[in-house]
Amino acid sequence: DVKVTQSSRYLVKRTGEKVFLECVQDMDHENMFWYRQDPGLGLRLIYFSYDVKMKEKGDIPEGYSVSREKKERFSLILESASTNQTSMYLCASSLPPGQRYGYTFGSGTRLTVV
Amino acid sequence: QKEVEQNSGPLSVPEGAIASLNCTYSDRVSQSFFWYRQYSGKSPELIMSIYSNGDKEDGRFTAQLNKASQYVSLLIRDSQPSDSATYLCAVAESGTYKYIFGTGTRLKVLA
Repeated sequence: DVKVTQSSRYLVKRTGEKVFLECVQDMDHENMFWYRQDPGLGLRLIYFSYDVKMKEKGDIPEGYSVSREKKERFSLILESASTNQTSMYLCASSLPPGQRYGYTFGSGTRLTVV
Repeated sequence: QKEVEQNSGPLSVPEGAIASLNCTYSDRVSQSFFWYRQYSGKSPELIMSIYSNGDKEDGRFTAQLNKASQYVSLLIRDSQPSDSATYLCAVAESGTYKYIFGTGTRLKVLA
């Protein structure tokens, strides 16, 4: 089974802190994604990466950055955490388009910014 | 902006009944469609994928696709209380690496 591992299940950070969320997948997937999920708003794409060192902005990239130095690891960085970034963060990986497998999600990180 | 729309529910069905979940999408060129189940506090889990018009069955689950009407549905036969969850419809956006998710339908199966 494909495994997508997120480093923390729960995190509490203070406003203004720099926050790193780590995601590792073990199936050599090219594509990796970071979403946040909020009640009533569904899954919103923050950033995605289709190859090492390649990244593209999603729908809500403001206040976030990403890093993909190795194929298996995709990190989400909150440059200066704010309370409106309190959310569930979900990492996902997939094979390229045309490969009909859908996403595999990690278990999620529930981030609270106080 | 390409969209995927679902009724948020909750959809309540008695145990043993058929639950019918529906999804419409705006991208006429989309080719791949997925259903995810998400239990409260957990991450989404892929349960069905469908690519061709018609029905695809997997155990108690049947996915139905009608590309002309831009409509995808999921039927759950013999619904169980353990099926109570939020079901997310996802569509592979044409020409990109992304999938577009609906906001989900909450299903409650009453024992």
